[in-house]
Amino acid sequence: AQSVTQLGSHVSVSEGALVLLRCNYSSSVPPYLFWYVQYPNQGLQLLLKYTSAATLVKGINGFEAEFKKSETSFHLTKPSAHMSDAAEYFCAVRRNNNDMRFGAGTRLTVKP
Amino acid sequence: DGGITQSPKYLFRKEGQNVTLSCEQNLNHDAMYWYRQDPGQGLRLIYYSQIVNDFQKGDIAEGYSVSREKKESFPLTVTSAQKNPTAFYLCASSLGMGSNYGYTFGSGTRLTVV
Repeated sequence: AQSVTQLGSHVSVSEGALVLLRCNYSSSVPPYLFWYVQYPNQGLQLLLKYTSAATLVKGINGFEAEFKKSETSFHLTKPSAHMSDAAEYFCAVRRNNNDMRFGAGTRLTVKP
Repeated sequence: DGGITQSPKYLFRKEGQNVTLSCEQNLNHDAMYWYRQDPGQGLRLIYYSQIVNDFQKGDIAEGYSVSREKKESFPLTVTSAQKNPTAFYLCASSLGMGSNYGYTFGSGTRLTVV
């Protein structure tokens, strides 16, 4: 079964520092992978998705993620954190013509 | 603008009551989903529907029921059989069940048992 594991339930960075949120997937075939962001008491918003067209995927708000098949990873990065990036981030994998499976989430804190 | 509307935003339920959470979309999406979110557990699938008048159980369907009488609407009923209903409930939709389709989410309903 396809699933994702997010390493680190909490990540704290200083404003202006690199953001790195880790996601590893388990899949026997190339998956479709997604990153979502959730602000408090709101729904999830799509940041970016990987659909095999390119291994480096650029998303909204300056985020990007790189698909690495050899490492079964799809880590989310942003070169310079802003205070407004503080939120919870979810990695997800879409199973074969089926529902989406979400990781447990990583809460990002940005310190001034 | 197209989107998904969930109502109410906050809901309080007494022990033994059934409550219904509303989810309406105007995106012309075929598939709709209900997820439950608890702290530290990510999102867990309750029910999903691919087409009108058809729906499937997810991982935690016990104590919940749904209907899909219209393409735009997918209400969720939390029954008295659900022993621990306090959670944040999210409704989502997608164009179809294909693997490359992402989800559009509503803003959620926070249900509390009082």
